[in-house]
Amino acid sequence: DQQVKQNSPSLSVQEGRISILNCDYTNSMFDYFLWYKKYPAEGPTFLISISSIKDKNEDGRFTVFLNKSAKHLSLHIVPSQPGDSAVYFCAASVYRGSTLGRLYFGRGTQLTVWP
Amino acid sequence: NAGVTQTPKFRILKIGQSMTLQCTQDMNHNYMYWYRQDPGMGLKLIYYSVGAGITDKGEVPNGYNVSRSTTEDFPLRLELAAPSQTSVYFCASFGGADTQYFGPGTRLTVL
Repeated sequence: DQQVKQNSPSLSVQEGRISILNCDYTNSMFDYFLWYKKYPAEGPTFLISISSIKDKNEDGRFTVFLNKSAKHLSLHIVPSQPGDSAVYFCAASVYRGSTLGRLYFGRGTQLTVWP
Repeated sequence: NAGVTQTPKFRILKIGQSMTLQCTQDMNHNYMYWYRQDPGMGLKLIYYSVGAGITDKGEVPNGYNVSRSTTEDFPLRLELAAPSQTSVYFCASFGGADTQYFGPGTRLTVL
């Protein structure tokens, strides 16, 4: 049973425009959410995260929004650049004390940014 | 720091063969993980370890074994390889606070 879902396998955006990647989760115990970016033939790399006590976290061109009532989060990339073309994975976890628990991953969304 | 390293990068096995995927991290992280990624799918947790000498099963442990004799190393053993184990395998480590760090992956094909 997929606890983290990314329902769009692909997204194509023109350079300079906004990219919006979506993620839904089913487990209400999740309290920490992460986005990873993955280029071909490389491992995933951490991009940005958000705790459930916040509804927005921003880092440069990347912003993650969390809607707990809808169990939905989204990653906004503004402006999109060709170098952003990659697979983006959403992941969720539960904090146990001060330690992050195991991660549950979505299936990923392939973002293509064209000039 | 090299971070998380994995060997080999690629491997082709015949059905029934065995092999060990190597994973090493130099960040002194207690937590280490093995994932597999099948085409169009997310990462599935195979095994994980919370410290030397301690391992536990993840979502998809069947057909695999692990050991953790040192903090740095977390090898994944495939016994009696099957075509269903064709996948890309990622090792990751975690220091307990922020995020997991992934290795570059091992692409395994079982024919």
